[in-house]
Amino acid sequence: NAGVTQTPKFQVLKTGQSMTLQCAQDMNHNSMYWYRQDPGMGLRLIYYSASEGTTDKGEVPNGYNVSRLNKREFSLRLESAAPSQTSVYFCASSQRGGAGTIQYFGAGTRLSVL
Amino acid sequence: AQSVTQLDSHVSVSEGTPVLLRCNYSSSYSPSLFWYVQHPNKGLQLLLKYTSAATLVKGINGFEAEFKKSETSFHLTKPSAHMSDAAEYFCVVNVNTGNQFYFGTGTSLTVIP
Repeated sequence: NAGVTQTPKFQVLKTGQSMTLQCAQDMNHNSMYWYRQDPGMGLRLIYYSASEGTTDKGEVPNGYNVSRLNKREFSLRLESAAPSQTSVYFCASSQRGGAGTIQYFGAGTRLSVL
Repeated sequence: AQSVTQLDSHVSVSEGTPVLLRCNYSSSYSPSLFWYVQHPNKGLQLLLKYTSAATLVKGINGFEAEFKKSETSFHLTKPSAHMSDAAEYFCVVNVNTGNQFYFGTGTSLTVIP
């Protein structure tokens, strides 16, 4: 019963470094999402993938890239990290989009960019 | 356009007293509405959802919410707070045709012994 698994749980980067956040789900869901959570701002959608082979920008995509590697995995890449990207990142999945869809969340990745 | 407003950023209640967390939404379409809970250093967990069926929705752990279209509200309530209810709560709206979910800014619930 793993659900949505994110790695790593914590990461510290220096400005300009790159890294990839990994996300995998074992629920055979079609849709996957990346959010960032900042104090007082709730969760904001970075990118989502409605199905394998497709990705779309969300509310705050600048500075990020994503790859839907297969149905299970959806990675988020920071090519050149900036202090403004210090945040908690959550991956989520759902069976599909649309009415009543429930999202299932991973435990988060806490990223600090110095 | 869709948006969600959580009217209180912090709510404190005594153990055993009622909980009320307020949420207003705006949506151009018939919305689906959710409440999620986030315990410290954890991911988000679904409490309950509304999808145009019964307007009073019951969720887990004794929580419930009432959809009021005339007031564009979806407030979360619980008759008696427990210490384990201390957490961050998010109201979320989703429209029928999209993969985009819009989150409120969250309400931090403190339960005083």
